[in-house]
Amino acid sequence: DQQVKQNSPSLSVQEGRISILNCDYTNSMFDYFLWYKKYPAEGPTFLISISSIKDKNEDGRFTVFLNKSAKHLSLHIVPSQPGDSAVYFCAASGGNDYKLSFGAGTTVTVRA
Amino acid sequence: ETGVTQSPTHLIKTRGQQVTLRCSSQSGHNTVSWYQQALGQGPQFIFQYYREEENGRGNFPPRFSGLQFPNYSSELNVNALELDDSALYLCASSLGTARGGNTIYFGEGSWLTVV
Repeated sequence: DQQVKQNSPSLSVQEGRISILNCDYTNSMFDYFLWYKKYPAEGPTFLISISSIKDKNEDGRFTVFLNKSAKHLSLHIVPSQPGDSAVYFCAASGGNDYKLSFGAGTTVTVRA
Repeated sequence: ETGVTQSPTHLIKTRGQQVTLRCSSQSGHNTVSWYQQALGQGPQFIFQYYREEENGRGNFPPRFSGLQFPNYSSELNVNALELDDSALYLCASSLGTARGGNTIYFGEGSWLTVV
């Protein structure tokens, strides 16, 4: 069963505007959440993460928000740049479980 | 570039055949995890090897097997290939079984097509 869900398969945004990507999870044991970015013909690369003890983590243009009660997290990219066009995966792990559970991904296209 | 290399990058196999995919981990990393990414889906955990021992397995049948060698490189073997095995196979290396995202490095993957 899909424990991490990204319900928007694609997102198109104008350069300079905000991109908001959403992710929902069902497993209450998850306590560590990550976002990965993937370009075609490349492996996923780590973008940003957040532990369940926080509700926000910021790194430059990227901010991740976690709402534990809603089992929801989001990634904000401000401002969006053409190089941000890629597939973004939400991932989660829990307790001593090192394996990552991934969502299906959201394809972001930044328009000039 | 992550330092994780996978081979081959693309291959085509016939249903019922066997395939071996290879992964050289990042220098200094002793842990390798394998993921399967089917078209339109996110990566699914297959198994992890830590210091040459299997250290956990996802929901994949026994015909998916692996090895890790003393130099920490790894192989993924799939027997009796089925059409649904067509996917991108990703290798991820890390030092120990740490969960930190910035300590896990993925290779570019091996595209397997089963016909």
